Amino acid sequence: DIQMTQSPSSLSASVGDRVTITCRTSQSINRYLNWYQQKPGKAPKLLIYGASSLQSGVPSRFSGSASGTDFTLTISGLQPEDFATYYCQQSYLPPLTFGGGTKVEIK
Amino acid sequence: QVQLHESGPGLVKPSQTLSLTCTVSGGSINSGSYYWTWIRQRPGKGLEWLGYIHYSGDTYYNPSLKSRLTISMDTSKNQFSLRMTSVTAADTAVFYCARVNSWGDYVGFDYWGQGTLVTVSS
Repeated sequence: DIQMTQSPSSLSASVGDRVTITCRTSQSINRYLNWYQQKPGKAPKLLIYGASSLQSGVPSRFSGSASGTDFTLTISGLQPEDFATYYCQQSYLPPLTFGGGTKVEIK
Repeated sequence: QVQLHESGPGLVKPSQTLSLTCTVSGGSINSGSYYWTWIRQRPGKGLEWLGYIHYSGDTYYNPSLKSRLTISMDTSKNQFSLRMTSVTAADTAVFYCARVNSWGDYVGFDYWGQGTLVTVSS
């Protein structure tokens, strides 16, 4: 299975901050990487697919990038509704696997 | 707007079989464009993909659970289902159904049900 390592596991940030979350994969997955946002008690929501393509309806302050086996989710100008847990997920090879999550909390 | 809704028992006894159904509205599961999938989240933990099904009958299961899982589809009801046999307390989780969409070569889970908590306990 492809292992997904997210860092940090949690972070504290303020409204307006620029936040960066990293996901490292155990092998090359090209750009077959998705990002999801999950709020407590809710289902995850797809934010980004193909490492950098914004899902329809997702605010442009969310962006994704890739470099080898390292993937980054950036939130430019954190908003109150962005406090949540974020997961990366690879769609390169079954079984599809998720990272352990990054919880973004209010500072 | 596509909507998915999970249903099934919230409590299952150890060693028994967990059965859940996902009802899809606002779109047909017969569409060849999509796969349909199950994902679980154990309490306080991350997400675990269980498997998916296509209306053609194509299925794929997470090898770690393959011997215990069956995903099936009832196109007449626009539903797909999950069966997990021989459950233990470790299978207690929120179970989600979701749609697998594709954008060129890339696939992702773009519509999700609200999730249903299944507790395994005697």
